[in-house]
Amino acid sequence: KQEVTQIPAALSVPEGENLVLNCSFTDSAIYNLQWFRQDPGKGLTSLLLIQSSQREQTSGRLNASLDKSSGRSTLYIAASQPGDSATYLCAVRSNDYKLSFGAGTTVTVRA
Amino acid sequence: DGGITQSPKYLFRKEGQNVTLSCEQNLNHDAMYWYRQDPGQGLRLIYYSQIVNDFQKGDIAEGYSVSREKKESFPLTVTSAQKNPTAFYLCATWGQGALASYEQYFGPGTRLTVT
Repeated sequence: KQEVTQIPAALSVPEGENLVLNCSFTDSAIYNLQWFRQDPGKGLTSLLLIQSSQREQTSGRLNASLDKSSGRSTLYIAASQPGDSATYLCAVRSNDYKLSFGAGTTVTVRA
Repeated sequence: DGGITQSPKYLFRKEGQNVTLSCEQNLNHDAMYWYRQDPGQGLRLIYYSQIVNDFQKGDIAEGYSVSREKKESFPLTVTSAQKNPTAFYLCATWGQGALASYEQYFGPGTRLTVT
């Protein structure tokens, strides 16, 4: 069974600092990996999707890398802003099309 | 929230009552999912449906039931057999997005409180 871990569970940084969020998974036979953002009491918004054949994806200030062999993905957010405060979840889709989620990293960006 | 609606946003029920959560999508996606989210935990899969009139149990299906009579709709019933029903429930679809890749889309969620 795929296990997904996100460390740390919470992170607080001053505005302008770069954010580094980690996601690890136990089974490298994945279909793709998605990073989501969740605001309190809301649904999940997809940020980036990395296919199993890709090494990274970029969107604006966001960059996500994927290393299947080591079972790791990292989400980088450059020049953080208070509006980036949210919970970030990593989800891994296995080849049986089931999605496994990490518990998330809650980010607070201090103005 | 991209074409997936869940209603109501907040739902309150007395213990022992069944309750049905609505999920409707206009994305034309075949696959639909129900997840449960509890504080400090990742999302857990309750049920999923790959096609109309077919659905499969997820990791925590006990105390829940679903139906998939229409492609657009995948309602979830939380029965009185579910021991800890208070949670945030998220409906999702899986399908092709604007960039032609297949990914998961989520609704805004329903917060169920049972007292």
